[in-house]
Amino acid sequence: SAVISQKPSRDICQRGTSLTIQCQVDSQVTMMFWYRQQPGQSLTLIATANQGSEATYESGFVIDKFPISRPNLTFSTLTVSNMSPEDSSIYLCSGLRGYGYTFGSGTRLTVV
Amino acid sequence: DAKTTQPPSMDCAEGRAANLPCNHSTISGNEYVYWYRQIHSQGPQYIIHGLKNNETNEMASLIITEDRKSSTLILPHATLRDTAVYYCIVRVYNQGGKLIFGQGTELSVKP
Repeated sequence: SAVISQKPSRDICQRGTSLTIQCQVDSQVTMMFWYRQQPGQSLTLIATANQGSEATYESGFVIDKFPISRPNLTFSTLTVSNMSPEDSSIYLCSGLRGYGYTFGSGTRLTVV
Repeated sequence: DAKTTQPPSMDCAEGRAANLPCNHSTISGNEYVYWYRQIHSQGPQYIIHGLKNNETNEMASLIITEDRKSSTLILPHATLRDTAVYYCIVRVYNQGGKLIFGQGTELSVKP
């Protein structure tokens, strides 16, 4: 199965700033997904990223707040924009190849 | 999107089989059932998946009822390292094959 490297693993950011999270896959995947996991909660899907097209966002998530880049079949970025303390969460990416989904280890974001 | 229902928590004695149930009564005929687990907020780890037949791998067995409205994940000999949150997920057909996570079952394996 694919291996995903996600970085940074954690960060502490000031409110009002932006953070870009990167995910690098060791082999080509068809789709990539971005999730948010708030403290003590399950994973919530933010958006689906397909190469060469705009990401598809789930209800409650908008491109201005969470812009996503997918320039090729092995790389994607998620930016958390204009951060507030409510954005403090773990953010995870996932890649799909065939029927297999692999997850990154997550980025633990704290906004102060 | 097909919704899954799992008990919020379960206990299991070390060395015994852990049977984790999942209801997915609105599942469509071409939607797969996936099981993942998450330990200490690490990235979810794949366990097993299936469509209609029972499946077994080195980690677990997946039993899907004939009407496909429910399934059971079986860890045959639970160890302390199997303590985790277990997610039963129905893969959404089309829409890029996204996985929508439910609340999961927190399994505690006790000595």
